[in-house]
Amino acid sequence: AQSVTQLGSHVSVSEGALVLLRCNYSSSVPPYLFWYVQYPNQGLQLLLKYTSAATLVKGINGFEAEFKKSETSFHLTKPSAHMSDAAEYFCAVSGRGYSTLTFGKGTMLLVSP
Amino acid sequence: GAVVSQHPSWVICKSGTSVKIECRSLDFQATTMFWYRQFPKQSLMLMATSNEGSKATYEQGVEKDKFLINHASLTLSTLTVTSAHPEDSSFYICSASEGTTDSEAFFGQGTRLTVV
Repeated sequence: AQSVTQLGSHVSVSEGALVLLRCNYSSSVPPYLFWYVQYPNQGLQLLLKYTSAATLVKGINGFEAEFKKSETSFHLTKPSAHMSDAAEYFCAVSGRGYSTLTFGKGTMLLVSP
Repeated sequence: GAVVSQHPSWVICKSGTSVKIECRSLDFQATTMFWYRQFPKQSLMLMATSNEGSKATYEQGVEKDKFLINHASLTLSTLTVTSAHPEDSSFYICSASEGTTDSEAFFGQGTRLTVV
């Protein structure tokens, strides 16, 4: 079975500051890990994914995440926050297949001027 | 990435009526489609997985007679909420994949259902 824990339901940063969204996973098999972004009343957009290749994964919009097996973590970072980054972010782990996903509870990123 | 279109984007219906939500893959063949439900300020919960031409597999606790899923073609799956009640009000999201082990799932834009 797989599960995901996202620490912090809300994260507030100032524009230009570092963004760090935390995700820890549990998986009985080598995991595939994903970060998605969701804007209000919209579907999910894939930011990046880890599929057992490079442990540092670069995604869209300047985001990146590092897979750390020893820490069972897959934290999402961005060096400098933009106002447009304000959204809900979901970490997910693959379940019974590459596209069968188990989601964390989400972290709302708030960006202030 | 591939495009998945969900329709309608929002719908309001009366208690006791049924409402159908469509999920279409526009530029690929979606062997497998997934239906999720998202309550306000909560995560996505998988409701069911459907493979084209087969009966859907429902997650534990999801009423299959209430949430009817049809996946009759490689580009279309439908979710029908039967005899809707206010507690069925939610955001429903579909995703679709080509169905192989390494095929990514692409998400629709979601449907906001309000039952009054």
